[in-house]
Amino acid sequence: DIQMTQSPSSLSASVGDRVTITCRASQSISSYLNWYQQKPGKAPKLLIYAASSLQSGVPSRFSGSGSGTDFTLTISSLQPEDFATYYCQQSYSTFTFGQGTRLEIK
Amino acid sequence: QVQLQESGPGLVKPSETLSLTCAVSGYSISSGYYWGWIRQPPGKGLEWIGSIYHSGSTYYNPSLKSRVTISVDTSKNQFSLKLSSVTAADTAVYYCARGDYQMDAFDIWGQGTMVTVSS
Repeated sequence: DIQMTQSPSSLSASVGDRVTITCRASQSISSYLNWYQQKPGKAPKLLIYAASSLQSGVPSRFSGSGSGTDFTLTISSLQPEDFATYYCQQSYSTFTFGQGTRLEIK
Repeated sequence: QVQLQESGPGLVKPSETLSLTCAVSGYSISSGYYWGWIRQPPGKGLEWIGSIYHSGSTYYNPSLKSRVTISVDTSKNQFSLKLSSVTAADTAVYYCARGDYQMDAFDIWGQGTMVTVSS
């Protein structure tokens, strides 16, 4: 099974900050990596697919990069609505989610 | 507009079978895409349970495979999850979702339904 490890597990930041979340796969997954945003009491929302492709309707301040085993999600300028939990997910071999990164207001 | 809605009992007794249904509206379930179930224990992360593909093939999380069955009912435009021999560890919010072949991601999700396993 492919394991996904996110870092950090939690992060405090301020509105306007640039934030980066990292996701590492236990083996190469090419670009089969997706990012989701989840707010309390809500279903996850797809942000980025195939490592770097922005899902329709998602603001351009979100971006993804990486391939192989190391990936990043970057939010260029945090907005109040971005404080949430973020999950990476590999789709190279069935599906596995990372443990999540909770982004909190500083 | 495609929408997914989970339904089923909110309380299941230990050792019994959890059964949930996901009703799909705004799209014919037999026309493409794949369909999946994901769960989230209270205060914890997301866990993929399994998926069913357009071909009828199913894939399950190895940790749950012996207890899971996912099926599609095209006449009702819905798909279902059955999880047998449940324990308290199966208490979670259960989400159904649509998977896109091109993106290879779950692009549309239901709102989720809480299932508690307790006697």
